Amino acid sequence: LAKTTQPISMDSYEGQEVNITCSHNNIATNDYITWYQQFPSQGPRFIIQGYKTKVTNEVASLFIPADRKSSTLSLPRVSLSDTAVYYCLVGGSARQLTFGSGTQLTVLP
Amino acid sequence: ETGVTQTPRHLVMGMTNKKSLKCEQHLGHNAMYWYKQSAKKPLELMFVYNFKEQTENNSVPSRFSPECPNSSHLFLHLHTLQPEDSALYLCASSQGEGVTYEQYFGPGTRLTVT
Repeated sequence: LAKTTQPISMDSYEGQEVNITCSHNNIATNDYITWYQQFPSQGPRFIIQGYKTKVTNEVASLFIPADRKSSTLSLPRVSLSDTAVYYCLVGGSARQLTFGSGTQLTVLP
Repeated sequence: ETGVTQTPRHLVMGMTNKKSLKCEQHLGHNAMYWYKQSAKKPLELMFVYNFKEQTENNSVPSRFSPECPNSSHLFLHLHTLQPEDSALYLCASSQGEGVTYEQYFGPGTRLTVT
């Protein structure tokens, strides 16, 4: 199973773009990269998923370099409500997706 | 509102009690999951069901007993729990077990074992 490493915490200010990088050096050929967001006392919520290059949806972008050994979640113009824990997961099946400690993002006014 | 409901939202039980957690999904999904989230620890996958069949038991102690009577309902039966079992128990569902299927999580049941 691919192990992921991401920063424990990050601070940002409202209106800024936030980039959270995740390292996954032993990613396998059939693994996808998935990001979830979790607010306190709630279940995680899917943000975005990708396999290679760049993926964009209405809330975030995911950048994956050619070697796929890392990925970067980009949140444009964050607001206070984006304060949450962000998890990077790597795996080839739902059973392989392991939630690590995540990155606590704190958005300051 | 994710389409996945869990009851009860809070539960306090003694170590000799027997209780059950219930999860229901209204999304027409085929796969359902139980996760445990202890304080200051990552989410741990406990069980996976796909089309009512258990496909994963992640070395969970036998005092936790899952039941999936149909694709919309998932139960977690609890008996003779320990204080260290106190945690947030989360249920999730997805269209299938493949990694490209997004998991939808319920709000969780906050369990306290006294």
